Amino acid sequence: EAGVVQSPRYKIIEKKQPVAFWCNPISGHNTLYWYRQNLGQGPELLIRYENEEAVDDSQLPKDRFSAERLKGVDSTLKIQPAELGDSAVYLCASSSRRGPTEAFFGQGTRLTVV
Amino acid sequence: QKEVEQDPGPLSVPEGAIVSLNCTYSNSAFQYFMWYRQYSRKGPELLMYTYSSGNKEDGRFTAQVDKSSKYISLFIRDSQPSDSATYLCAMSAQGAQKLVFGQGTRLTINP
Repeated sequence: EAGVVQSPRYKIIEKKQPVAFWCNPISGHNTLYWYRQNLGQGPELLIRYENEEAVDDSQLPKDRFSAERLKGVDSTLKIQPAELGDSAVYLCASSSRRGPTEAFFGQGTRLTVV
Repeated sequence: QKEVEQDPGPLSVPEGAIVSLNCTYSNSAFQYFMWYRQYSRKGPELLMYTYSSGNKEDGRFTAQVDKSSKYISLFIRDSQPSDSATYLCAMSAQGAQKLVFGQGTRLTINP
């Protein structure tokens, strides 16, 4: 079974530029999460999808961050414009209906804003 | 105060030692308790999870939950250099789909 696939693995951009991350969850997993992990910290939830519906986006900085999950499968997370403080690892995870105890993570996208 | 507190370490022990990793939490609604292992430049990988209080054993790993003290532990017996990683505790309330993570403890097992 293929795991959660994320791309790109690494991205370096200048501040004020836009950037997008892509995630392909495990087949059949209805729940998809985007987490942000700052250096030396645990992941923090940005947004959670149930199928194509965003059901928890309270921690998403909506002035510059946006996300979509078309057809309830792949998802894209976008930042526009990026700021220096956005440098972090962006992790995608997915789980089945059984909930977060079965969440599987991708390898993440390491973003550096210069 | 964070909902979940975890000593970030770093923790360095010799091969074969018993390792104890701990987290405390403040939210009494947490019912699911998980331990993730994260190798450098990789995503977190689920090691074990426990529902409510008690112990759970899986090979060299034992997870303990003490809800009365709001304290969870992960023990690693006969530690190996391949166990060197960052260990993250995570928790979730019943019916919630959100994981709350600790800061992570960076562990090094020295040959």
